[in-house]
Amino acid sequence: EIVMTQSPATLSVSPGERATLSCRASQSVNSNLAWYQQKPGQAPRLLISGASTRATGIPPWFSGSGSGTDFALTISSLQSEDFAVYYCQQYNSWPFTFGGGTKVEIK
Amino acid sequence: QVQLQESGPGLVKPSETLSLTCAVSGGSISSYYWTWIRQPPGKGLEWIGYIYYSGSTNHNPSLKSRVTMSVDTSKNQFSLKLSSVTAADTAVYYCARDRSYCSGGSCYFNNWFDSWGQGTLVTVSS
Repeated sequence: EIVMTQSPATLSVSPGERATLSCRASQSVNSNLAWYQQKPGQAPRLLISGASTRATGIPPWFSGSGSGTDFALTISSLQSEDFAVYYCQQYNSWPFTFGGGTKVEIK
Repeated sequence: QVQLQESGPGLVKPSETLSLTCAVSGGSISSYYWTWIRQPPGKGLEWIGYIYYSGSTNHNPSLKSRVTMSVDTSKNQFSLKLSSVTAADTAVYYCARDRSYCSGGSCYFNNWFDSWGQGTLVTVSS
């Protein structure tokens, strides 16, 4: 099973600032990586697939990068609605696995 | 726009079987793969398994042989059964659309999840 490790666990950021979230895989997942956003009491929402392709309706200040074992999700200018928990997920091999999440909170 | 809605008992006794159904609207269940994911309270996400309308399935080996999934194309819904439950199975259970599909005899596996149900909390307790 591929283990996905996200860092940091919590990121404190001021509105308008840039946030960079990290996701590392225990072995290569090529570009088979997705990012999700989850707000309290809600289901996760797909942000990024294929490591860097934004899902339909996702604003342009979200971007994904990386391949192999190291990935990043960048939020270029945090809006109030972006404070949430973010998860990465690999779908390179079964079982599909998620990282433990990064909580982006208001500084 | 496809919508998914989970339904089933919110309380299951230990050693019994958890049963959930996911109703799909706004799209045909025959078009894509469909998946179950769970999230224990305050914790992260765990992929349970997926099913195709043909009945083809795959599930997380960590759940051993406790998982059974089925699909009812006439009702545009799919189901999950998890047997011999314990307190460790207490979680919010989500159904979601997996973007994998088959066409022209080939299958294209894009196992990200782009539409989710709202989730249903299942508590295992006597």
